Amino acid sequence: GQSLEQPSEVTAVEGAIVQINCTYQTSGFYGLSWYQQHDGGAPTFLSYNALDGLEETGRFSSFLSRSDSYGYLLLQELQMKDSASYFCAVRQNQGGKLIFGQGTELSVKP
Amino acid sequence: NAGVTQTPKFQVLKTGQSMTLQCAQDMNHNSMYWYRQDPGMGLRLIYYSASEGTTDKGEVPNGYNVSRLNKREFSLRLESAAPSQTSVYFCASSDTRVQPQHFGDGTRLSIL
Repeated sequence: GQSLEQPSEVTAVEGAIVQINCTYQTSGFYGLSWYQQHDGGAPTFLSYNALDGLEETGRFSSFLSRSDSYGYLLLQELQMKDSASYFCAVRQNQGGKLIFGQGTELSVKP
Repeated sequence: NAGVTQTPKFQVLKTGQSMTLQCAQDMNHNSMYWYRQDPGMGLRLIYYSASEGTTDKGEVPNGYNVSRLNKREFSLRLESAAPSQTSVYFCASSDTRVQPQHFGDGTRLSIL
């Protein structure tokens, strides 16, 4: 079967750093993506890792270890507006087919 | 620049009715996708179209059909709606070789 595992909820305080982990078991792997979704709205792309290592984009970073089938999203200098659901997704083929995890709801407290 | 446009935004159907959800993108993307999202869940792929003229099944295709009308448009049809198909439906598009997928705002569909 195919599965992506990520924590269902994470809580952190404003200004802190939080890491959201994702482990995957899928048939076919071209890369790991992260998406953000506010209040059931349109998911928006955050980052993509095709190769092992760390990708940094502003306050957000994403890491991938293909040998461990593991990745994480790191959010720094948390702001209240970062409260949202975060989904990891495995890209399964060249056509861009994605398999999504069930999402992690991040709550940022003052 | 509209991006990905879905219509309608909301719809209520009775069991057994048929319905077509429309999706159009103006980014000249090759690939288009239909997902459903149920409460507290991630997105599950229903069908996708890697390029104009091709369609493939995703994780949960049963009860649905799709048409890639042209490069811009990708429609999802429910032939005989069932309560289990109550969900939020998202359309997305992407360049085949380059992430990311761009999502529409969703269609909230309730089947009574």
